[in-house]
Amino acid sequence: NAGVTQTPKFQVLKTGQSMTLQCAQDMNHEYMSWYRQDPGMGLRLIHYSVGAGITDQGEVPNGYNVSRSTTEDFPLRLLSAAPSQTSVYFCASSVRRASGQGEQFFGPGTRLTVL
Amino acid sequence: GESVGLHLPTLSVQEGDNSIINCAYSNSASDYFIWYKQESGKGPQFIIDIRSNMDKRQGQRVTVLLNKTVKHLSLQIAATQPGDSAVYFCAENIFGSGNTGKLIFGQGTTLQVKP
Repeated sequence: NAGVTQTPKFQVLKTGQSMTLQCAQDMNHEYMSWYRQDPGMGLRLIHYSVGAGITDQGEVPNGYNVSRSTTEDFPLRLLSAAPSQTSVYFCASSVRRASGQGEQFFGPGTRLTVL
Repeated sequence: GESVGLHLPTLSVQEGDNSIINCAYSNSASDYFIWYKQESGKGPQFIIDIRSNMDKRQGQRVTVLLNKTVKHLSLQIAATQPGDSAVYFCAENIFGSGNTGKLIFGQGTTLQVKP
């Protein structure tokens, strides 16, 4: 299994540009999430999905859109990039266990700079 | 608002000593906690988890202790090795809201292992 993969690894955008960060997992996990990590900080949840066709907002959803058309893919769209969105973005997936959510597996991250 | 936080930003230990990393949480509804290790330039890696119906769980060289009375979580690493140097995050997940993909992370503690 490749686990959780993210593309691109690095991206530089100009203010106002839009782009999509890709995330895919091959573990047949129901749950997928997007986080951003600013320097010296923990991870903050942007959006998450509990299954295909179902998404919900996290702590910092403004400026981002998501969709979940398949179990495997969970792309994150930046509608109009702003310097405040400069960050490292992590995608994660997890299984659903009888007792609740299982551990989250994280991708390697996408380092985004908005000029 | 509710938050997960860590007591110390940096912990420096001698190789071979035991390390203890602490975490305070404030959400009384949280019933699942996870410790992650993050090495420079990589995504968080699962270390160990614990559910609120337990007060201790052991893994390989790691132990997590949960004190629900004072809302405190700790990660103990036995015989700390240079490879343990990383940033450690605690995270809490809240069940019952349907948001089972939602994790709240603390800011992180940097563990430095001196040879």
